[in-house]
Amino acid sequence: AQSVTQPDIHITVSEGASLELRCNYSYGATPYLFWYVQSPGQGLQLLLKYFSGDTLVQGIKGFEAEFKRSQSSFNLRKPSVHWSDAAEYFCAVAPAVYGGSQGNLIFGKGTKLSVKP
Amino acid sequence: GAGVSQSPSNKVTEKGKDVELRCDPISGHTALYWYRQSLGQGLEFLIYFQGNSAPDKSGLPSDRFSAERTGGSVSTLTIQRTQQEDSAVYLCASSLNSGGGRKTQYFGPGTRLLVL
Repeated sequence: AQSVTQPDIHITVSEGASLELRCNYSYGATPYLFWYVQSPGQGLQLLLKYFSGDTLVQGIKGFEAEFKRSQSSFNLRKPSVHWSDAAEYFCAVAPAVYGGSQGNLIFGKGTKLSVKP
Repeated sequence: GAGVSQSPSNKVTEKGKDVELRCDPISGHTALYWYRQSLGQGLEFLIYFQGNSAPDKSGLPSDRFSAERTGGSVSTLTIQRTQQEDSAVYLCASSLNSGGGRKTQYFGPGTRLLVL
């Protein structure tokens, strides 16, 4: 069965420092990969996605993620964190089933990011 | 343009009562999804609609949960005889097409349900 692991439940970084949030997935083939962000009391906002091609993808708000097939990872990075980045971040995978009815996302448990001034 | 909207934003109900949660997807999005977000379980898939039909109901936790979609647009998630363990945030998402899982899902703000 497909699964997504986000090993870090909570991370605290200083404003201006770099950030890397880890995500590992378990799937037999290359899935479609997503990162979403959720601010308190809000829904999920898409940061970026990977379907195929260039393994380094750029997203909104200065985020990027790199797909590494050999490590089954899709880690999210940002070179300089801003206080407004404090939120919960979710990695998700969708099975690559052509013509199938599946399309639901499988989410990791999330990583809560706190930013120190 | 308008995003996915959900109503009510918050709902407090008594154990045993029925509740209806509504989702308005992005105009033109044919696929619609319901998820549940709770502290212990994270984000769980409940049901998926393609048009008005639901090819995948595998995530519905019990027969107290049902959902329908009319006119290929608005969807209602109904929970009958609510239990305290139903307390969670119910999120709705829509996408242009679910085929192959390629299409990106856009989420609404959620309905926070509290069962007393």
